[in-house]
Amino acid sequence: DTGVSQDPRHKITKRGQNVTFRCDPISEHNRLYWYRQTLGQGPEFLTYFQNEAQLEKSRLLSDRFSAERPKGSFSTLEIQRTEQGDSAMYLCASSPRDRPGPGNSPLHFGNGTRLTVT
Amino acid sequence: AQSVSQHNHHVILSEAASLELGCNYSYGGTVNLFWYVQYPGQHLQLLLKYFSGDPLVKGIKGFEAEFIKSKFSFNLRKPSVQWSDTAEYFCAVPYNQGGKLIFGQGTELSVKP
Repeated sequence: DTGVSQDPRHKITKRGQNVTFRCDPISEHNRLYWYRQTLGQGPEFLTYFQNEAQLEKSRLLSDRFSAERPKGSFSTLEIQRTEQGDSAMYLCASSPRDRPGPGNSPLHFGNGTRLTVT
Repeated sequence: AQSVSQHNHHVILSEAASLELGCNYSYGGTVNLFWYVQYPGQHLQLLLKYFSGDPLVKGIKGFEAEFIKSKFSFNLRKPSVQWSDTAEYFCAVPYNQGGKLIFGQGTELSVKP
């Protein structure tokens, strides 16, 4: 299966520690998205890349969060000085560039990284 | 700003019952609409999508959804559910550029065998 891959699947950390997650998108997809999902809620958009360029960041993404996609392939999401409120599932998705004509290319999601901050 | 609301947080059905999950969106312009499904322990998967044309859209596993522009709705339906349909269902709409999606809060469907 050459879907979106995320690592690690689970991360438990103590408050104040830094954590980094990795996402490997589907190889021919040039768009990559990070979402956060908490219990009972739908995924919330955090940021997205087109190739290596980070084109948009949500207001949800505080200064403690940083994402990179240095070569336009895999991406990392780092959270510095973690807080208990950061506990969530962090989802990565990728999509190809939009086709000509109406409509958006669907997002392909990974299994997510579940972060627990104690 | 665009938004998506799903009316039902948790739906419990017996096998063979009919299903309808509500989804309403706020955007009044050209709309693309999606339903995603997340089976237990699996990633979010596309169930079906509406871009234009026939407002009745058919997806995988016997699901369909109807786009009703006058009601700003895109409800998901299935005539006869199976135990394997137990999952969480999310309605989503793109906003701005770049293919980003806004998701509803999700509806958890439990199907009793």
